[in-house]
Amino acid sequence: GDSVTQMEGPVTLSEEAFLTINCTYTATGYPSLFWYVQYPGEGLQLLLKATKADDKGSNKGFEATYRKETTSFHLEKGSVQVSDSAVYFCVCTGGTSYGKLTFGQGTILTVHP
Amino acid sequence: DAGVTQSPTHLIKTRGQQVTLRCSPKSGHDTVSWYQQALGQGPQFIFQYYEEEERQRGNFPDRFSGHQFPNYSSELNVNALLLGDSALYLCASSLKNRPLGSEQYFGPGTRLTVT
Repeated sequence: GDSVTQMEGPVTLSEEAFLTINCTYTATGYPSLFWYVQYPGEGLQLLLKATKADDKGSNKGFEATYRKETTSFHLEKGSVQVSDSAVYFCVCTGGTSYGKLTFGQGTILTVHP
Repeated sequence: DAGVTQSPTHLIKTRGQQVTLRCSPKSGHDTVSWYQQALGQGPQFIFQYYEEEERQRGNFPDRFSGHQFPNYSSELNVNALLLGDSALYLCASSLKNRPLGSEQYFGPGTRLTVT
């Protein structure tokens, strides 16, 4: 079945630092890829998505590019803020599991002033 | 526009008991999926309902069952509770005939504690 692997966390950064959270996936066919974010005390919400190879998803200064050749979807942000502190999940769907979201284990990001 | 709602917010049960969790999808959505999120882990897919039938199921035992009503709301039932069933249970709604890559909207979850 489909699977998603995220870099080990947690990640602690100072404000304005560069962020990368690595994500690789295993899926047959042509999955769609997402990053979901879970802010403290809030529900999961979609951050960005990409539905085909070489697509770049972007939102709120975050970016991720769908790399089929390396089966990766790394999340990046050039300058993080304290308000970006949250848990980030790399997610895939489609392939053999259309309609079912397969989540990575999550990466806790803490940004200090 | 109401988003996805879940009830109750928190629940404490004893091993061996049964529990029912409820979910109302976002207005206009007809598909409900349930996920279990253990502490420190990513959500795991339990099952998905549309047109009042279970359409997909993850690797969960038969103790986990569900139902979808004509108004698209859904229930998750767990029988013979185990300590390991303690988790945050999330409901997500979407459209059955949605384009590939469309967003699923999540509710705030029900925190179940089994003692």
